[in-house]
Formats: sequence, C-alpha cells, structure tokens
Amino acid sequence: GAVVSQHPSWVICKSGTSVKIECRSLDFQATTMFWYRQFPKQSLMLMATSNEGSKATYEQGVEKDKFLINHASLTLSTLTVTSAHPEDSSFYICSAQISGANVLTFGAGSRLTVL
Amino acid sequence: KNEVEQSPQNLTAQEGEFITINCSYSVGISALHWLQQHPGGGIVSLFMLSSGKKKHGRLIATINIQEKHSSLHITASHPRDSAVYICAVLNNNDMRFGAGTRLTVKP
Repeated sequence: GAVVSQHPSWVICKSGTSVKIECRSLDFQATTMFWYRQFPKQSLMLMATSNEGSKATYEQGVEKDKFLINHASLTLSTLTVTSAHPEDSSFYICSAQISGANVLTFGAGSRLTVL
Repeated sequence: KNEVEQSPQNLTAQEGEFITINCSYSVGISALHWLQQHPGGGIVSLFMLSSGKKKHGRLIATINIQEKHSSLHITASHPRDSAVYICAVLNNNDMRFGAGTRLTVKP
C-alpha cells in the first residue's frame, strides 16, 4: 500500500534556528501534499496545500515566510519552520494525495519542540 | 458555525458495544475521509467515501450526500479501538476537519 515517510519524527531546537521537515511518498507519485499542524488535544489544522512544481497555497493566518514549503518533486515536499520560536512547538503532519485520486496517506508526524 | 461538525466530542463505551460517530458538513465535497489517530499521533485513513457505504472488518462508514452527513460505526468495540476519530472533507485540494471524537473503550 501507499506509504508516506515523514522525517524527523521529533526534533528539539533552540529559538531562532530553522528546522526542516521532510515528507516523502515512498511508492507512489503525489502531485499534492498537505501540511497540518496539531495542538495538544485539538484536531488537525490544515496549514497549506503543496502542489509539485508550483507555489504552495497557504491557509488564512498561516505565515508563508515563516513556514516555507517546497514541493520540488512528485515524491518529496518539505516544510521549513524558519526562525523557530517556542510558540511554533507543535505536532506537524503531512499527507500525500495519490495523483488523480482522492486517496490520502498520512505521515507519522513530526513533533517539534523549540526551547 | 464550523463547516464540519462532529459528534459526540467524547465517547466512552464498554467493550463489545456498538459505536456510532457522526459527521455533518455544510460545504460541497468531492470526498469524505474518516481518520483514526492513536495517542502516539500517527494518523490512519480508515475510509474515503464519496457515496454509499463501505465496510472494513468491524468498521462501517456511510455517507448521505443529499443530507451532507456521514457516520462511522464500530461493531463489537474493543479497547484497541480507543483513539481519536476525525472526519475530514475534501473538495479538490481544500480540506476541512471536524474537531474529532475521542473514543475510549473500557474492558
């Protein structure tokens, strides 16, 4: 079945540094990948939709200069949290949509802690 | 009003009970997903529906497009079913989530 690998699964960084999270579709091509954020005991919040070869579409209230998304190939999208601050600490999850289908496969998530 | 309403918010059941979780939405959709999130955070897509009914093991999902409503049923519930269940609606590349239902099944 379709597998999405997300890396790293957890990361701790100092305030002011940048952190990159990768989302890879291992055995399928994904023209669209989604990035979500989840606060403790809350549901998922869609941050942005990433389409291969084009700029990401950000949800209202999500700073595109803060959360840089790159979808350079059909199997890889990256989310970079720039100049991270403690309030950016959260659980970040990606999902990939199989080209031409509504099927979604989720990564295992990345837990970011900014000190 | 949220575009995707889920109920109940929390649900506690005894092992063996029949569980129903409901999802109503107010937007046009191309598909609806039922997601399961375990305490570790990992998310699994249980079902993707655009019409009718699907069954997988003890899980059944239905959708009524006219009424904009979907239900997730769990038969013969088990403690390992304890998780958060999230309804997500997809319209092209636009996705909206319900708040989730936290299910606890007690032995």
